[in-house]
Amino acid sequence: EAQVTQNPRYLITVTGKKLTVTCSQNMNHEYMSWYRQDPGLGLRQIYYSMNVEVTDKGDVPEGYKVSRKEKRNFPLILESPSPNQTSLYFCASSILRTSGGAQETQYFGPGTRLLVL
Amino acid sequence: AQKITQTQPGMFVQEKEAVTLDCTYDTSDQSYGLFWYKQPSSGEMIFLIYQGSYDEQNATEGRYSLNFQKARKSANLVISASQLGDSAMYFCAMRGAGANSKLTFGKGITLSVRP
Repeated sequence: EAQVTQNPRYLITVTGKKLTVTCSQNMNHEYMSWYRQDPGLGLRQIYYSMNVEVTDKGDVPEGYKVSRKEKRNFPLILESPSPNQTSLYFCASSILRTSGGAQETQYFGPGTRLLVL
Repeated sequence: AQKITQTQPGMFVQEKEAVTLDCTYDTSDQSYGLFWYKQPSSGEMIFLIYQGSYDEQNATEGRYSLNFQKARKSANLVISASQLGDSAMYFCAMRGAGANSKLTFGKGITLSVRP
């Protein structure tokens, strides 16, 4: 079954304690991305990766790090979490875009609810 | 820059009736893609439908159709024969022509289906 998995699904932590949220996809997708969802703001992109060892900042990268050592995995790292990083996080993957008109769905993981105290 | 606007307040529809969820967008790209996602109360993001900017026909997927009006920059989602399970938050999103295939999302619309 084609899927994107995230772990953990729920996490409560304290300010300053480093944490990693894992993301893995089994569809051999080149493109992977992290989003955060906050009430009234929709989803905003944190970081993205277009292939192994190729990552770049999205709209809200401050306080986050990522790595892409393998094609299937794209972990999100919070080196020193703060309460304003309390949010619902989604990992997504897709093939790289082709010409206009092609079906290019982004597949989302189930989400990780993070609470930073 | 890309922008998605969803301004409808919470929407209500009677079961088995059709409902239209509005979405307007703004972009300077000639090539772009438009998506609708459903987010039920359980939180997952479920892909519903996609429309490419060069597609001449409106996209359809089962009970979902996308009313694409390119000149007006609108991409409204039409759900026919609403079901109780359609109650959820609905997000319109677009992806532009840049190297980053990120999705720019609207703020979402809450749909409640009444029995």
